[in-house]
Amino acid sequence: DVKVTQSSRYLVKRTGEKVFLECVQDMDHENMFWYRQDPGLGLRLIYFSYDVKMKEKGDIPEGYSVSREKKERFSLILESASTNQTSMYLCASSYWAAGGGEQFFGPGTRLTVL
Amino acid sequence: KQEVTQIPAALSVPEGENLVLNCSFTDSAIYNLQWFRQDPGKGLTSLLLIQSSQREQTSGRLNASLDKSSGRSTLYIAASQPGDSATYLCAVRSMNYGGSQGNLIFGKGTKLSVKP
Repeated sequence: DVKVTQSSRYLVKRTGEKVFLECVQDMDHENMFWYRQDPGLGLRLIYFSYDVKMKEKGDIPEGYSVSREKKERFSLILESASTNQTSMYLCASSYWAAGGGEQFFGPGTRLTVL
Repeated sequence: KQEVTQIPAALSVPEGENLVLNCSFTDSAIYNLQWFRQDPGKGLTSLLLIQSSQREQTSGRLNASLDKSSGRSTLYIAASQPGDSATYLCAVRSMNYGGSQGNLIFGKGTKLSVKP
């Protein structure tokens, strides 16, 4: 079974803090993704990566950065957390395939910024 | 820009009923479509992936169909059970947005409740 794990299920941070969300996959997938999910807005893509040290902006990259130093690990960084970044953060991975492979998701991190 | 719509937003059925969830998308130029299940407060579980060249995929009591030309997909659940209660999301990978490996564009989901 594909396993995507996220470092925390719940996280509470204060405004202005630097926040790291970690995601690890164990299936040697090339592609990794970070989404956020908000009521009424659905899932929106923040950043994705096709390969180590490679990143592409998604629909809502403002206020976020990412790091992919190893193939299995993709980190989302909130440089200076703000209350409007309170959300459910979901990491996903997929194999490379013509037309894109099946995406597998982690359990999510519920982040609250006070 | 690709838009994905799921109707209805919520559905309540008695146990044992066969049901259909609908998904429509505005741009038929897609690589594939994926159906997910999400339980409250949890991540997404992949149910089925249909490539653009396929008409349907089956897994157990689930059957997903794809009509690319009309921009529609349906998820059929046979003999529904209370354990099927969850939110079901469909997502498309669009040829005109996000690249061949990238962005899934999600609908907002149908919240299904199966009553015992």
